[in-house]
Amino acid sequence: EDQVTQSPEALRLQEGESSSLNCSYTVSGLRGLFWYRQDPGKGPEFLFTLYSAGEEKEKERLKATLTKKESFLHITAPKPEDSATYLCAVQAPSGSARQLTFGSGTQLTVLP
Amino acid sequence: DTGVSQDPRHKITKRGQNVTFRCDPISEHNRLYWYRQTLGQGPEFLTYFQNEAQLEKSRLLSDRFSAERPKGSFSTLEIQRTEQGDSAMYLCASIPGVGNEQFFGPGTRLTVL
Repeated sequence: EDQVTQSPEALRLQEGESSSLNCSYTVSGLRGLFWYRQDPGKGPEFLFTLYSAGEEKEKERLKATLTKKESFLHITAPKPEDSATYLCAVQAPSGSARQLTFGSGTQLTVLP
Repeated sequence: DTGVSQDPRHKITKRGQNVTFRCDPISEHNRLYWYRQTLGQGPEFLTYFQNEAQLEKSRLLSDRFSAERPKGSFSTLEIQRTEQGDSAMYLCASIPGVGNEQFFGPGTRLTVL
């Protein structure tokens, strides 16, 4: 069974204080690893897809990296507007649905 | 705004009542998913449609739940005889014919009293 574990559960940073969020996964044949951002009361917003170990993607202050067992979301010089829950999900090739299996998320708070 | 819309945004109902939610995916997206999300957890897969065909259902989807996508466009999720444990955010997501990125709607928040 596919499993995704995110750490830490919650993270408080001062504005400008860089850090990383971790996503560890167990899946039989990774089709893709996805990062989403979710604001309170809203649906997840797509950020990145990573397909193979060593791949990296960047968007503004966010950078996602992938190894064979985990992914990191690096946040450089965060701003208060980066406060949200960040969700990691894996997609396995089994079945026709190719549904996502999500972790529980990391709730990030960036203080001004 | 991803272009996926859901209605209603909030629903409060009493235990035992039936509720129905609607999802309108992005128009050219032929693949549609329903997920359920409880507080502090990530979304959990419920069911999947390709065009009008329901191709996969999670074991989370008890016989009180039914989903349809009659013309391959909008989809409905009905919960019969609601229970307090059904209280959650119900999310819809869609994907175009190619690609893997799922685009989520804003969700419907269900509260069962």
